[in-house]
Amino acid sequence: DAGVIQSPRHEVTEMGQEVTLRCKPISGHNSLFWYRQTMMRGLELLIYFNNNVPIDDSGMPEDRFSAKMPNASFSTLKIQPSEPRDSAVYFCASKTGTHNSPLHFGNGTRLTVT
Amino acid sequence: DQQVKQNSPSLSVQEGRISILNCDYTNSMFDYFLWYKKYPAEGPTFLISISSIKDKNEDGRFTVFLNKSAKHLSLHIVPSQPGDSAVYFCAADSGGSNYKLTFGKGTLLTVNP
Repeated sequence: DAGVIQSPRHEVTEMGQEVTLRCKPISGHNSLFWYRQTMMRGLELLIYFNNNVPIDDSGMPEDRFSAKMPNASFSTLKIQPSEPRDSAVYFCASKTGTHNSPLHFGNGTRLTVT
Repeated sequence: DQQVKQNSPSLSVQEGRISILNCDYTNSMFDYFLWYKKYPAEGPTFLISISSIKDKNEDGRFTVFLNKSAKHLSLHIVPSQPGDSAVYFCAADSGGSNYKLTFGKGTLLTVNP
């Protein structure tokens, strides 16, 4: 049973470059989430999709961040242009539509922007 | 403003003893609480949850207690095992949202053999 799959596991890039993080949710899960983890702020929800539609993007820090979910099995989080303060671990998670079903997280992408 | 607080960044216990991890919250709208465990270089994994209509939920060695009047919950691990060494996150969900979990910053548990 494959879990949530994220790629790449590590990304090192220079300030100003575009970064694209990828996520494949668990098959059959209809909700997908992007979280960011930093030492200062812990785990923060960036955006949430339900049935491929963005529902809540209030956690997206600024316009440099964008997320898409073109189909039920794929989502991207893009940062353009990237800045050093974007350095963090980015997690993708998915869940079923059942009320209070738990989130299943991927192993994250560690992003370093120099 | 942190709505979910885990005031102990770390905890160390001996194998076989009880581990007690604590979590406080401020938002009275939270009605569902979860604990996640995280190993290095992995994502958080769901451990146990509790609804606000209960004050205790048990699953094997893991028990979560909820004290609504104090806005406090705790996770008890008995007996603790070295494999339990991980970061434990407390999370809370407000009624009806079903998705916008608010996480604490985590407690690093180390179980010494």
